[in-house]
Amino acid sequence: GQQLNQSPQSMFIQEGEDVSMNCTSSSIFNTWLWYKQDPGEGPVLLIALYKAGELTSNGRLTAQFGITRKDSFLNISASIPSDVGIYFCAGQLEGAQKLVFGQGTRLTINP
Amino acid sequence: DAGVTQSPTHLIKTRGQHVTLRCSPISGHKSVSWYQQVLGQGPQFIFQYYEKEERGRGNFPDRFSARQFPNYSSELNVNALLLGDSALYLCASSRTGFRDTEAFFGQGTRLTVV
Repeated sequence: GQQLNQSPQSMFIQEGEDVSMNCTSSSIFNTWLWYKQDPGEGPVLLIALYKAGELTSNGRLTAQFGITRKDSFLNISASIPSDVGIYFCAGQLEGAQKLVFGQGTRLTINP
Repeated sequence: DAGVTQSPTHLIKTRGQHVTLRCSPISGHKSVSWYQQVLGQGPQFIFQYYEKEERGRGNFPDRFSARQFPNYSSELNVNALLLGDSALYLCASSRTGFRDTEAFFGQGTRLTVV
């Protein structure tokens, strides 16, 4: 089946640093979504991208839909302790209803 | 407005038993999807329903079934539980279920099979 390769799998950074993570696929996606999940909770939608090349911000978060439609990245600027968690990318294929998720990036912040 | 609500939050079942998980979507949303998330992995698609009809099915055995009610709430049923069914089961709602819509997740039901 379709798979998304998300990297890095984990990140250990200092508070205040910028963070970058990305997802790539061999398939073309129609929509890219980025979610954050805290332990024991469901994923929370951060950013949705609908057009190739689209760059969208949500506060300190910025995400881009790759022009090939096979990749996306998420940047977090000036990280703070509440950014800790697992970040997932998810893509929706043309004509499909389901979301395909990456394996997640676990972000840990040292104060 | 209330978000996606799922019940129960936690459940422990014995192998071979049956389980029913419930989901209420966000008001105004007509599509509900179910995902299974095993520890350490991303969610895996199980089903999507829109207007009470199944619109998509993931690669799960026939032991898994679901339905959507006229009020757009949904149930996920799993028969003959196996140890490997232990996971966080997530429900997501979206406005129409078609492309270009955003999916919002509930807090999940943690199922443990012993």
